[in-house]
Amino acid sequence: KAGVTQTPRYLIKTRGQQVTLSCSPISGHRSVSWYQQTPGQGLQFLFEYFSETQRNKGNFPGRFSGRQFSNSRSEMNVSTLELGDSALYLCASSFGLQYEQYFGPGTRLTVT
Amino acid sequence: QKEVEQNSGPLSVPEGAIASLNCTYSDRVSQSFFWYRQYSGKSPELIMSIYSNGDKEDGRFTAQLNKASQYVSLLIRDSQPSDSATYLCAVNYGGSQGNLIFGKGTKLSVKP
Repeated sequence: KAGVTQTPRYLIKTRGQQVTLSCSPISGHRSVSWYQQTPGQGLQFLFEYFSETQRNKGNFPGRFSGRQFSNSRSEMNVSTLELGDSALYLCASSFGLQYEQYFGPGTRLTVT
Repeated sequence: QKEVEQNSGPLSVPEGAIASLNCTYSDRVSQSFFWYRQYSGKSPELIMSIYSNGDKEDGRFTAQLNKASQYVSLLIRDSQPSDSATYLCAVNYGGSQGNLIFGKGTKLSVKP
């Protein structure tokens, strides 16, 4: 069974730009969660989608948004990029809300 | 504020020894608990999940859960240099939310 895939793997953007990251979950998984990982803050929850509905949102500004499509694929968007948005963005998929989560390889975003 | 606490380490053990990693969490309603391993530059990899009090063994790994003490641990028997990584404890607080709250991780170093 193929794992979680994320595209792109690496991204360099300039302050003020926007970016869209994509995640394809494991086949059959309907829940997708997004996390931001930085050396200082560790892994922090961004948002979670189940059956195209956002079920939960972390404590991040409105510049961070996401969506899920009918095939469970998910995208997250960050607008008006700031230097502090430089991080590893991880997507995790699970069968349902309380099940084990499996991470993709992540997208390394660098904002200059 | 739901929190998950881990000693940051580094924890250094000789090859063949038992490595003991500990984690405490703040909310008694927590439902499920997970241990992830993260190698430098890679994404977290799920290695153990535990849902009820007691021990759960999988190969060289044993997860232990004590809900009354709000404590979960991971034992790694016969530690190998390839076990050197950061180990992340994650807690799912249940209800309608499926997101994980992560500890900052414990860095384990296994010396040959």
